[in-house]
Amino acid sequence: EVQLVESGGGLVQRGGSLRLSCVASGFTFSNYWMHWVRQAPGKGLVWVSRLNGEGASTSYADTVKGRFTISRDNAKNTLFLEMNSLRVEDTAVYYCASGLGPPFEYWGQGTLVTVSS
Amino acid sequence: EIVLTQSPAFQSVTPKETVTITCRASQSIRSSLHWYQQKPNQSPKLLIKYASQSFSGVPSRFSGSGSGTDFILTINSLEAEDAATYYCHQSSSLPWTFGQGTKVEIK
Repeated sequence: EVQLVESGGGLVQRGGSLRLSCVASGFTFSNYWMHWVRQAPGKGLVWVSRLNGEGASTSYADTVKGRFTISRDNAKNTLFLEMNSLRVEDTAVYYCASGLGPPFEYWGQGTLVTVSS
Repeated sequence: EIVLTQSPAFQSVTPKETVTITCRASQSIRSSLHWYQQKPNQSPKLLIKYASQSFSGVPSRFSGSGSGTDFILTINSLEAEDAATYYCHQSSSLPWTFGQGTKVEIK
Protein backbone atom coordinates (compact mmCIF):
# COMPACT_ATOMS: atom_id res chain seq x y z
CA GLU A 1 0.00 0.00 0.00
CA VAL A 2 1.32 3.41 -0.99
CA GLN A 3 1.68 5.83 1.90
CA LEU A 4 2.87 9.41 2.00
CA VAL A 5 3.12 11.01 5.44
CA GLU A 6 3.90 14.71 5.75
CA SER A 7 5.19 16.48 8.83
CA GLY A 8 6.85 19.72 9.83
CA GLY A 9 3.96 22.14 9.52
CA GLY A 10 3.09 24.63 12.21
CA LEU A 11 2.75 28.28 13.14
CA VAL A 12 5.53 30.61 12.05
CA GLN A 13 5.91 34.37 11.87
CA ARG A 14 6.12 36.25 8.62
CA GLY A 15 9.69 36.10 7.34
CA GLY A 16 10.40 32.86 9.15
CA SER A 17 11.34 29.40 7.92
CA LEU A 18 9.99 25.87 8.05
CA ARG A 19 11.09 22.53 6.69
CA LEU A 20 8.44 20.07 5.61
CA SER A 21 9.10 16.35 5.26
CA CYS A 22 7.22 13.59 3.48
CA VAL A 23 8.06 9.95 4.17
CA ALA A 24 7.07 7.52 1.45
CA SER A 25 6.42 3.79 1.54
CA GLY A 26 4.84 1.11 -0.61
CA PHE A 27 6.59 1.97 -3.87
CA THR A 28 10.09 2.38 -5.31
CA PHE A 29 10.61 5.96 -4.19
CA SER A 30 13.62 6.71 -6.40
CA ASN A 31 11.63 5.94 -9.57
CA TYR A 32 8.98 8.55 -8.88
CA TRP A 33 8.64 12.26 -9.44
CA MET A 34 7.63 13.94 -6.21
CA HIS A 35 5.63 17.13 -5.85
CA TRP A 36 4.33 19.63 -3.34
CA VAL A 37 0.82 20.99 -3.82
CA ARG A 38 -0.82 23.43 -1.44
CA GLN A 39 -4.34 24.47 -0.56
CA ALA A 40 -5.14 27.67 1.29
CA PRO A 41 -8.06 27.40 3.75
CA GLY A 42 -11.31 27.09 1.79
CA LYS A 43 -9.52 27.50 -1.54
CA GLY A 44 -8.44 25.36 -4.47
CA LEU A 45 -5.31 23.37 -5.24
CA VAL A 46 -2.06 25.02 -6.32
CA TRP A 47 1.02 23.21 -7.57
CA VAL A 48 4.17 24.39 -5.77
CA SER A 49 7.17 22.36 -6.86
CA ARG A 50 8.39 19.09 -8.37
CA LEU A 51 11.54 16.97 -8.30
CA ASN A 52 12.53 14.02 -10.45
CA GLY A 53 13.51 10.63 -9.07
CA GLU A 54 17.25 11.31 -9.13
CA GLY A 55 16.84 14.66 -7.47
CA ALA A 56 18.49 16.50 -10.34
CA SER A 57 15.58 18.26 -12.03
CA THR A 58 13.46 20.77 -10.12
CA SER A 59 10.68 23.19 -10.99
CA TYR A 60 8.87 25.80 -8.93
CA ALA A 61 5.80 27.99 -9.13
CA ASP A 62 6.77 31.63 -9.61
CA THR A 63 5.19 32.55 -6.27
CA VAL A 64 7.75 30.44 -4.35
CA LYS A 65 10.80 30.54 -6.63
CA GLY A 66 13.86 31.72 -4.77
CA ARG A 67 12.23 31.15 -1.37
CA PHE A 68 11.39 27.41 -1.38
CA THR A 69 13.74 24.52 -2.09
CA ILE A 70 12.62 20.98 -2.86
CA SER A 71 14.96 18.07 -2.20
CA ARG A 72 14.89 14.35 -1.48
CA ASP A 73 16.83 11.62 0.27
CA ASN A 74 16.25 8.42 -1.67
CA ALA A 75 18.06 6.35 0.94
CA LYS A 76 15.44 7.42 3.48
CA ASN A 77 12.46 7.57 1.09
CA THR A 78 11.92 11.16 2.16
CA LEU A 79 10.96 14.34 0.33
CA PHE A 80 11.61 17.79 1.77
CA LEU A 81 10.46 21.34 1.23
CA GLU A 82 12.60 24.06 2.76
CA MET A 83 10.52 27.22 3.03
CA ASN A 84 12.20 30.56 3.75
CA SER A 85 10.99 34.18 3.85
CA LEU A 86 7.49 32.93 4.53
CA ARG A 87 4.57 35.21 3.73
CA VAL A 88 1.05 35.31 5.11
CA GLU A 89 -0.18 34.13 1.71
CA ASP A 90 1.87 30.92 2.08
CA THR A 91 -0.62 29.78 4.72
CA ALA A 92 -2.04 26.49 3.46
CA VAL A 93 -2.21 22.75 3.83
CA TYR A 94 0.82 21.37 2.03
CA TYR A 95 0.42 17.99 0.35
CA CYS A 96 3.17 15.84 -1.05
CA ALA A 97 2.18 13.81 -4.07
CA SER A 98 3.87 11.22 -6.25
CA GLY A 99 3.69 9.94 -9.79
CA LEU A 100 5.84 8.14 -12.36
CA GLY A 101 5.17 11.17 -14.50
CA PRO A 102 2.13 13.40 -14.48
CA PRO A 103 -0.41 13.23 -12.91
CA PHE A 104 -0.38 13.14 -9.11
CA GLU A 105 -1.19 9.49 -8.51
CA TYR A 106 -0.90 9.40 -4.73
CA TRP A 107 -1.27 12.10 -2.09
CA GLY A 108 -0.37 12.43 1.56
CA GLN A 109 -2.79 13.64 4.19
CA GLY A 110 -1.23 17.11 4.26
CA THR A 111 0.44 19.30 6.86
CA LEU A 112 -0.84 22.76 7.81
CA VAL A 113 1.47 25.75 7.60
CA THR A 114 0.20 28.96 9.19
CA VAL A 115 2.14 32.18 8.72
CA SER A 116 1.17 34.95 11.11
CA SER A 117 1.65 38.65 10.57
CA GLU B 1 0.26 30.15 -17.64
CA ILE B 2 -2.60 27.92 -18.81
CA VAL B 3 -5.89 28.78 -17.15
CA LEU B 4 -8.43 26.02 -16.56
CA THR B 5 -12.05 27.09 -16.17
CA GLN B 6 -14.49 24.60 -14.68
CA SER B 7 -18.25 24.76 -14.90
CA PRO B 8 -20.45 24.69 -13.05
CA ALA B 9 -18.89 25.84 -9.79
CA PHE B 10 -21.62 24.08 -7.82
CA GLN B 11 -24.11 21.36 -8.60
CA SER B 12 -26.83 19.86 -6.43
CA VAL B 13 -27.81 16.44 -7.71
CA THR B 14 -30.17 13.61 -6.79
CA PRO B 15 -28.71 10.10 -6.36
CA LYS B 16 -28.69 8.02 -9.57
CA GLU B 17 -28.58 11.14 -11.72
CA THR B 18 -25.75 11.74 -14.19
CA VAL B 19 -23.33 14.58 -13.48
CA THR B 20 -21.23 16.33 -16.10
CA ILE B 21 -18.46 18.75 -15.23
CA THR B 22 -16.66 20.75 -17.89
CA CYS B 23 -13.08 21.97 -17.87
CA ARG B 24 -11.94 24.43 -20.53
CA ALA B 25 -8.27 25.27 -21.08
CA SER B 26 -7.07 28.69 -22.23
CA GLN B 27 -4.98 26.99 -24.94
CA SER B 28 -4.62 23.51 -26.34
CA ILE B 29 -3.26 20.98 -23.86
CA ARG B 30 -3.77 17.94 -26.09
CA SER B 31 -4.83 15.18 -23.66
CA SER B 32 -2.71 16.32 -20.69
CA LEU B 33 -5.76 16.77 -18.47
CA HIS B 34 -6.45 14.90 -15.23
CA TRP B 35 -9.35 14.81 -12.78
CA TYR B 36 -9.30 14.55 -8.98
CA GLN B 37 -11.92 14.11 -6.30
CA GLN B 38 -11.55 15.76 -2.91
CA LYS B 39 -13.98 14.91 -0.14
CA PRO B 40 -14.31 17.24 2.87
CA ASN B 41 -11.26 17.13 5.16
CA GLN B 42 -9.50 14.60 2.93
CA SER B 43 -6.67 14.80 0.45
CA PRO B 44 -7.44 14.69 -3.29
CA LYS B 45 -7.62 11.38 -5.14
CA LEU B 46 -6.86 10.79 -8.79
CA LEU B 47 -9.85 9.65 -10.83
CA ILE B 48 -8.97 10.08 -14.50
CA LYS B 49 -5.61 10.66 -16.17
CA TYR B 50 -4.86 11.89 -19.67
CA ALA B 51 -8.45 12.95 -20.29
CA SER B 52 -10.00 9.49 -20.46
CA GLN B 53 -7.88 6.85 -18.71
CA SER B 54 -9.37 5.59 -15.47
CA PHE B 55 -6.96 5.32 -12.56
CA SER B 56 -6.63 2.02 -10.78
CA GLY B 57 -9.46 1.24 -8.38
CA VAL B 58 -11.74 4.06 -9.50
CA PRO B 59 -15.39 3.01 -9.92
CA SER B 60 -16.50 2.64 -13.51
CA ARG B 61 -19.22 5.26 -13.11
CA PHE B 62 -16.48 7.90 -13.45
CA SER B 63 -15.37 8.63 -17.01
CA GLY B 64 -13.60 11.39 -18.86
CA SER B 65 -13.51 12.67 -22.41
CA GLY B 66 -12.13 15.49 -24.51
CA SER B 67 -8.93 16.80 -26.01
CA GLY B 68 -7.43 20.12 -27.01
CA THR B 69 -9.23 22.72 -24.92
CA ASP B 70 -12.52 21.12 -23.86
CA PHE B 71 -12.87 18.26 -21.41
CA ILE B 72 -15.71 16.57 -19.54
CA LEU B 73 -15.88 14.49 -16.40
CA THR B 74 -19.01 12.34 -16.25
CA ILE B 75 -20.33 10.60 -13.17
CA ASN B 76 -23.03 8.09 -14.09
CA SER B 77 -25.64 7.04 -11.55
CA LEU B 78 -24.37 9.31 -8.80
CA GLU B 79 -24.01 7.79 -5.35
CA ALA B 80 -24.14 9.54 -1.99
CA GLU B 81 -20.43 8.90 -1.47
CA ASP B 82 -19.64 11.01 -4.55
CA ALA B 83 -20.35 14.25 -2.68
CA ALA B 84 -17.06 16.09 -3.12
CA THR B 85 -15.23 18.83 -4.94
CA TYR B 86 -13.80 17.84 -8.31
CA TYR B 87 -10.74 19.47 -9.85
CA CYS B 88 -9.19 19.30 -13.29
CA HIS B 89 -5.42 19.67 -13.67
CA GLN B 90 -3.21 20.22 -16.72
CA SER B 91 0.32 18.89 -17.09
CA SER B 92 0.91 20.17 -20.62
CA SER B 93 3.18 23.02 -19.57
CA LEU B 94 4.67 24.48 -16.43
CA PRO B 95 3.41 25.85 -14.19
CA TRP B 96 0.96 23.00 -13.80
CA THR B 97 -2.42 24.45 -12.99
CA PHE B 98 -5.77 23.36 -11.58
CA GLY B 99 -9.31 24.41 -12.28
CA GLN B 100 -11.08 26.25 -9.48
CA GLY B 101 -13.13 23.21 -8.54
CA THR B 102 -16.73 22.02 -8.87
CA LYS B 103 -18.56 21.17 -5.70
CA VAL B 104 -21.12 18.37 -6.07
CA GLU B 105 -23.77 18.20 -3.40
CA ILE B 106 -26.22 15.34 -2.97
CA LYS B 107 -29.85 16.42 -2.59
